[in-house]
Amino acid sequence: EPEVTQTPSHQVTQMGQEVILRCVPISNHLYFYWYRQILGQKVEFLVSFYNNEISEKSEIFDDQFSVERPDGSNFTLKIRSTKLEDSAMYFCASSEAVGGGYGYTFGSGTRLTVV
Amino acid sequence: RKEVEQDPGPFNVPEGATVAFNCTYSNSASQSFFWYRQDCRKEPKLLMSVYSSGNEDGRFTAQLNRASQYISLLIRDSKLSDSATYLCVVNVNTDKLIFGTGTRLQVFP
Repeated sequence: EPEVTQTPSHQVTQMGQEVILRCVPISNHLYFYWYRQILGQKVEFLVSFYNNEISEKSEIFDDQFSVERPDGSNFTLKIRSTKLEDSAMYFCASSEAVGGGYGYTFGSGTRLTVV
Repeated sequence: RKEVEQDPGPFNVPEGATVAFNCTYSNSASQSFFWYRQDCRKEPKLLMSVYSSGNEDGRFTAQLNRASQYISLLIRDSKLSDSATYLCVVNVNTDKLIFGTGTRLQVFP
């Protein structure tokens, strides 16, 4: 079964440092997403990406965050200057079609710990 | 009011029991509805989509009441392997999924 692959599985970083979280979506999927889940809280939408541009973003996705599809297979989330409150599980997802929420596949996540 | 509201539980039930989870959503424009399952520190995985007519997948039955903005999930003959957090998820015909906080189920022998 096709998978969304995320690396690293766990990253520890110092406050103020930049981090890049990496994702390889399913190869024939065209729509890509980042979600995050702070420990003990709900899964929250960050951003969706299609055709090399952001199609929707949440209030959480401020100027500290950016996304990129640098080479046609990877999809990255960059946090420019990490804060303690950025500590969370970050899930990448992809889908074949947009709208309706159908056909999503989530990756296994990157646990980001900011110290 | 929360966009998607669920009883956090935990629900502790013996093997073989029937258990029901409820969920309410606030946006009447919501178009699509799902139940996801999340194991501890793992990614959400789709359990089933929820349709207005109600739908069943083996031991799992989902119901949607659009008028009351209410979604339910019934699990019959609970197994130990059903222990997880069950997430109610809606979509308002945009790209994003809106998650509830989840209901934790613990099935004991």
